[in-house]
Amino acid sequence: RKEVEQDPGPFNVPEGATVAFNCTYSNSASQSFFWYRQDCRKEPKLLMSVYSSGNEDGRFTAQLNRASQYISLLIRDSKLSDSATYLCVVSIYSSASKIIFGSGTRLSIRP
Amino acid sequence: EPEVTQTPSHQVTQMGQEVILHCVPISNHLYFYWYRQILGQKVEFLVSFYNNEISEKSEIFDDQFSVERPDGSNFTLKIRSTKLEDSAMYFCASSRQGEQFFGPGTRLTVL
Repeated sequence: RKEVEQDPGPFNVPEGATVAFNCTYSNSASQSFFWYRQDCRKEPKLLMSVYSSGNEDGRFTAQLNRASQYISLLIRDSKLSDSATYLCVVSIYSSASKIIFGSGTRLSIRP
Repeated sequence: EPEVTQTPSHQVTQMGQEVILHCVPISNHLYFYWYRQILGQKVEFLVSFYNNEISEKSEIFDDQFSVERPDGSNFTLKIRSTKLEDSAMYFCASSRQGEQFFGPGTRLTVL
């Protein structure tokens, strides 16, 4: 089983749609969770951290289910500029330093 | 806004040569990282560095690789005797605690 698993997509949705991404992780000792976005040939950029209570930042909502080892990201009212690859990232807290990236889910928003 | 910088943006080298990739992390960050991303593949963790020593490294980070923080600001990745399969984007990242911020990357091409 992969350490961090995501649906590779691509997801192709119209502008204004709601999109949901899912991610599962295998190591129950994982401590910190993040969503990053990566544009083509660019560096990953932090989108949001994911907390146990769930958190929201504008159109973006992230949820964590530790029991199921599952993380989600919801994008509401999607914009053309949301087109990117979304990376699920998990930190195995040994010395606060090992980070595992999922393979990413490609999202393409069409006008 | 402070950011991680990397130089050069593109490095071309001959197989068997040594390369040094340079990074300047964000100044008040304590943890430093190197990742690589082969074209079309996922971001892969190489190594993390804290308190002037390696804190974690992946199986990719073998004797061919080394890292150094030669002064208070730079963080370098050295690849000895490069191989064709070392061609990739190399990202440096830094964090104070938890969330990592990535540099723009160095594209390494080994001929």
